[in-house]
Amino acid sequence: NAGVTQTPKFRVLKTGQSMTLLCAQDMNHEYMYWYRQDPGMGLRLIHYSVGEGTTAKGEVPDGYNVSRLKKQNFLLGLESAAPSQTSVYFCASSYGRGALAIQYFGAGTRLSVL
Amino acid sequence: DQQVKQNSPSLSVQEGRISILNCDYTNSMFDYFLWYKKYPAEGPTFLISISSIKDKNEDGRFTVFLNKSAKHLSLHIVPSQPGDSAVYFCAASARVKTSYDKVIFGPGTSLSVIP
Repeated sequence: NAGVTQTPKFRVLKTGQSMTLLCAQDMNHEYMYWYRQDPGMGLRLIHYSVGEGTTAKGEVPDGYNVSRLKKQNFLLGLESAAPSQTSVYFCASSYGRGALAIQYFGAGTRLSVL
Repeated sequence: DQQVKQNSPSLSVQEGRISILNCDYTNSMFDYFLWYKKYPAEGPTFLISISSIKDKNEDGRFTVFLNKSAKHLSLHIVPSQPGDSAVYFCAASARVKTSYDKVIFGPGTSLSVIP
C-alpha cells in the first residue's frame, strides 16, 4: 500500500546544476501536485496536473518545469538550481475536487542548493 | 497577501485538555475547508474537512467549526493526547476553473501536548 512515493528523499545541488524529482502514485488519482514548504509559509503550489498529459502553473512556478507523461507519475525539474530553491518539496495526489479534493502526500524531498 | 492565516505559530496544551487551533481566511469564494496534520520528516495527512454549507463536522476526538460570516474556522481536539503533537495546516478550496479547485494552505500551527 505505497500511496505516494517521492524520490529522492534528500539531495544537495550546486548552483546551476539540474535535477528531476520523481513522484509516483498507485491510487489511480487524476490530480497531482507539487508543493514547496518553507518556514512560516505553509505549502505553496508550484505546478499541478488534472490528468495525464496536462500540466498547469501554480503560485510559484518560476524556475521549475513539470511533466505528466503517465497518469501515475509527475516529474518536477529544476533546470538551473538556485539557492532560493532550497526547500522541502512535497508531491500530492487527489481524486478530484470538492469533497474529492483530499490530497495524499508523499514523505517529501529535502533539497539544498549551495 | 496570505489568503489563509493561522496566527498562532505554536500552541502548548496539557494532556487530556482541549486543543483549539484557529484559522482565518479572506476570500469569500472558498467553499471547502480541510485540516491536515504533519509529523516531522513525513508528508501531511488529511485529518478532517468541512463544506461551507455546514457549520460543524465531527470525527471522533476532532471537531471543526466554521463561521462563514467571520471567515473563521477552528479545530478542536478533545481530549488532547501526546500523539497529537504535530504541525496542523488549515487549507481552503475554491473553484477557479471547470476542472480545478484552487487550494491554499495556511502557514501551520505547531501543537505540543504535554504529558
